[in-house]
Amino acid sequence: SQTIHQWPATLVQPVGSPLSLECTVEGTSNPNLYWYRQAAGRGLQLLFYSVGIGQISSEVPQNLSASRPQDRQFILSSKKLLLSDSGFYLCAWSSQNRGGQPQHFGDGTRLSIL
Amino acid sequence: QKEVEQDPGPLSVPEGAIVSLNCTYSNSAFQYFMWYRQYSRKGPELLMYTYSSGNKEDGRFTAQVDKSSKYISLFIRDSQPSDSATYLCAMMASGTYKYIFGTGTRLKVLA
Repeated sequence: SQTIHQWPATLVQPVGSPLSLECTVEGTSNPNLYWYRQAAGRGLQLLFYSVGIGQISSEVPQNLSASRPQDRQFILSSKKLLLSDSGFYLCAWSSQNRGGQPQHFGDGTRLSIL
Repeated sequence: QKEVEQDPGPLSVPEGAIVSLNCTYSNSAFQYFMWYRQYSRKGPELLMYTYSSGNKEDGRFTAQVDKSSKYISLFIRDSQPSDSATYLCAMMASGTYKYIFGTGTRLKVLA
């Protein structure tokens, strides 16, 4: 069966520090991968998605970037964190084998910027 | 107007009640519909997945899609305190990579 791992679960960082959040998927190959940010009462905001290694689409201009160095690895990064980057970050995957497949989520990283 | 509208709640019901959760949408191109359950400080968990119109049942959960009204529902029978969570609807058009989510309805089932 497929599993998705996200870490760390919680992170507290000072303003201006760098960020690296990692997500890996097991049990499937060539998945679509996604990064979301979830704010209370505002639903899920799509940040980045990737349909293959090195292929990244950005949805919202911001202080963050994403990379996919391996087929089942997705990384969210920042060179200098802002206070506004605080939030709950979720990684998700879906199958490319057939269209319209549902997404499956990791357990998220709660990021607090001080 | 948002593409997907969902009442944020909270919705409080007694244990054993039938719960009805709903979403409306404006994009007639949506063909794939999902319901997720999200517990506090956890990622969303897929509950139901349906294609096009109709009903789908899985245990205590029933998902309904009415494309003519652009309206989807999730029914929970014999609700339990463990069903207390936020429920998110999501939908997707054919040929795209993007999922559009509702903001979620917070459900409380009281023992």
